[in-house]
Amino acid sequence: EAGVAQSPRYKIIEKRQSVAFWCNPISGHATLYWYQQILGQGPKLLIQFQNNGVVDDSQLPKDRFSAERLKGVDSTLKIQPAKLEDSAVYLCASSPWTGEEAEAFFGQGTRLTVV
Amino acid sequence: SQQGEEDPQALSIQEGENATMNCSYKTSINNLQWYRQNSGRGLVHLILIRSNEREKHSGRLRVTLDTSKKSSSLLITASRAADTASYFCATKHGSSSNTGKLIFGQGTTLQVKP
Repeated sequence: EAGVAQSPRYKIIEKRQSVAFWCNPISGHATLYWYQQILGQGPKLLIQFQNNGVVDDSQLPKDRFSAERLKGVDSTLKIQPAKLEDSAVYLCASSPWTGEEAEAFFGQGTRLTVV
Repeated sequence: SQQGEEDPQALSIQEGENATMNCSYKTSINNLQWYRQNSGRGLVHLILIRSNEREKHSGRLRVTLDTSKKSSSLLITASRAADTASYFCATKHGSSSNTGKLIFGQGTTLQVKP
């Protein structure tokens, strides 16, 4: 089966600009996660969707970050305006709704550099 | 905030040796998972252990879970150069194992020398 697709793979922007990342989860997966991974650290959960509803966004800096999951499939994560400290890899992951504990399948990530 | 803390932060061993890395967490969990991340790549799931399990095996991997101590360990036996990667524990929290948050630790960087 096709994996989690993310685009773009790399993005360089100046501070105060805006940027958007796109994620296409594995077909049929109800749960979608966005993580921020700063170099040398573990992934930090930004937001979790169950279908098109938000399960958790407690770590999402809502003054500048926003995310949506239209029709419970694709998702976009936006940063506006970007700060230098937003430089990181943004990972998207999805999990199936199976009734059993399920693993998360990760995309390759988008590496963002804010200069 | 991150849930898990892992130690050691970095580990260097010779090929053929065993590697053990530990993970501690703070609050109750539904399950605990281990992931591997090769340089420049996404994370790959390795193994999942439920909160009511104490030990689980998968190939050269052995995971233990001690919920009384809120800790887990991952043992990789007979390591290979290809095992060189960062390893993360991730804990699942919440009322449902399917809708609970998946929180990652800071990771252990493993280097296996040929």
